[in-house]
Amino acid sequence: QVQLQESGPGLVKPSGTLSLTCAVSGGSISSSNWWSWVRQPPGKGLEWIGEIYHSGSTNYNPSLKSRVTISVDKSKNQFSLKLSSVTAADTAVYYCARDHIYYDSSGYFWYFDLWGRGTLVTVSS
Amino acid sequence: QSVLTQPPSVSAAPGQKVTISCSGSSSNIGNNYVSWYQQLPGTAPKLLIYENNKRPSGIPDRFSGSKSGTSATLGITGLQTGDEADYYCGTWDSSLSAGGVFGGGTKLTVL
Repeated sequence: QVQLQESGPGLVKPSGTLSLTCAVSGGSISSSNWWSWVRQPPGKGLEWIGEIYHSGSTNYNPSLKSRVTISVDKSKNQFSLKLSSVTAADTAVYYCARDHIYYDSSGYFWYFDLWGRGTLVTVSS
Repeated sequence: QSVLTQPPSVSAAPGQKVTISCSGSSSNIGNNYVSWYQQLPGTAPKLLIYENNKRPSGIPDRFSGSKSGTSATLGITGLQTGDEADYYCGTWDSSLSAGGVFGGGTKLTVL
């Protein structure tokens, strides 16, 4: 049974860098899946941040791309998120998720079948 | 403002049927597959429907998905109080600003 667990500081200062890690247990991060970060501001909807394949290939949300770095550490079976120059608007519950993305003649499949429990990150001085 | 448009809320009585719409454009729903998620209060989202109309193992057939043109619909029959949750649609957007997008979410109230 594959499980995901987010970890990292719950409080980040404005203009600082938010750093989170997602540990993958019960399975290999090198399986044929992508791995994503999704966030949810308090009382608001979901926002996709970006995704990574075990090869290191990434896709990012264009609106966050200039501030986001997602990396993978296969030796530790985990992947990480760094979001720079944070403001109060980046306060949210951050989820890591297992991502399926494929393309066929009818378009892209893109969905998440496994989620972590989420971790609240507050940006405040 | 979300790329995909959902009604903020829907409601129905136990045992009834409800539908939740998700409207997009040719760059997202019109040419890609749609997924749906259920988020119970205080929990992570859960996959309900993928590839427009497929249910993961363990999801009851009370939940169904469909797509027509640039819109998708989630249907829930035999409503239960435990279905009260937020529901989100998601898809890939193939425009110049390519990436994954979600709807703004719909709060389902089971009266």
